[in-house]
Amino acid sequence: EILMTQSPATLSVSPGETATLSCRASQSVSSSLAWYQQKPGQAPSLLIYGASTRATGIPARFSGSGSGTEFTLTISSLQSEDFAVYYCQQYNIWPQYTFGQGTKLEIK
Amino acid sequence: EVQLLESGGGLGQLGGSLRLSCAASGFTFKNYAMTWVRQAPGKGLDWVSLVTNAGDSTYYADSVKGRFTISRDNSKNTLYLQMNSLRDEDTAVYYCAKEYYGRFDPWGQGTLVTVSS
Repeated sequence: EILMTQSPATLSVSPGETATLSCRASQSVSSSLAWYQQKPGQAPSLLIYGASTRATGIPARFSGSGSGTEFTLTISSLQSEDFAVYYCQQYNIWPQYTFGQGTKLEIK
Repeated sequence: EVQLLESGGGLGQLGGSLRLSCAASGFTFKNYAMTWVRQAPGKGLDWVSLVTNAGDSTYYADSVKGRFTISRDNSKNTLYLQMNSLRDEDTAVYYCAKEYYGRFDPWGQGTLVTVSS
């Protein structure tokens, strides 16, 4: 099983600033990496797939990068609605998918 | 608009059974693999199971293998999860999602399963 590790567990950032979230895989997942956003009481929603491709309707302030074992989700010009929990997910080994434990992005 | 609506959650007895359903609309259901993901209270996401578009292949996480059965009825645009031999650790919100090349989009709103003795 591929283990996904996200850091930090909690990130405190002020509105308008940039947040950088990390995800590390225990072995290479190539670019088979997705990011999801989950707001309190809601289902997760897809943000990024293929490590760097934004899903339909996702604003350009969300960007993903990385390949292999190291990945980053960057959110620039943070808006109030961006404060949520973010999960990475690998899908390199189909269909033995695994998620990271999540990063909570909170208002500083 | 693509929609997924889960139902069937509730209180399940330890060692008992529950059947979850996921009604799909807004897309050609029979063309897509479907999956279940769960989230224990206050915890992260865990992939549970996947069924291919035709329903002829199924896959499970080790934690539920032999106890849960995923299935689908393409004539009814509905996905199912039969949950047997329920354990405390099965307590979670269960989400269904459309799977496409490994990514899950969209997700249903979830249904809560609580296992109690």
